[in-house]
Amino acid sequence: DGGITQSPKYLFRKEGQNVTLSCEQNLNHDAMYWYRQDPGQGLRLIYYSQIVNDFQKGDIAEGYSVSREKKESFPLTVTSAQKNPTAFYLCASSIGTGTYEQYFGPGTRLTVT
Amino acid sequence: GQQLNQSPQSMFIQEGEDVSMNCTSSSIFNTWLWYKQDPGEGPVLLIALYKAGELTSNGRLTAQFGITRKDSFLNISASIPSDVGIYFCAGFLSGGGADGLTFGKGTHLIIQP
Repeated sequence: DGGITQSPKYLFRKEGQNVTLSCEQNLNHDAMYWYRQDPGQGLRLIYYSQIVNDFQKGDIAEGYSVSREKKESFPLTVTSAQKNPTAFYLCASSIGTGTYEQYFGPGTRLTVT
Repeated sequence: GQQLNQSPQSMFIQEGEDVSMNCTSSSIFNTWLWYKQDPGEGPVLLIALYKAGELTSNGRLTAQFGITRKDSFLNISASIPSDVGIYFCAGFLSGGGADGLTFGKGTHLIIQP
């Protein structure tokens, strides 16, 4: 089955620790995205990548970092510099530039205490 | 980033009723998308709209791309219990490039027994 996987589903960390969220897709999509969702809010774009080895900051990139070494993978690191890291994180992908339909993974809920 | 105003924020309806929700913006969008999100899951794409005035159906769901390109509407006919969830509108700004979707804050659909 083709799709987007995110792991783990739930993640708990202590304040001050960096944590990396996994996102893998086997849809052969060029573009991948990371969004953050807070209660009562819409999704906000953190980072996006249109091709391998290239990525761009979204609206709320501070305190986050990404890499895109492989087409299939787009991991997100939540660093200790992120002031409010507890949130639901969603990864998405689309065919590529000029296409707007994005398909989402199941999400990772990160709790930092 | 740009804001999408989605209304109503919540809807309490009886099973079998029709549902209408909308999304408006002060900016012109060249694409509108509608997603449904179940609790703790990623959003699922329902309908994509690409032309002003376009009316598209997906089963009991019908969505329209407003003539002004600043709004979109989603209707659900004869609601059933599995329609419960959060419905998000999302759009790409005209000339905005592949830098992610702008999301509304969602409409919570609740079906009363």
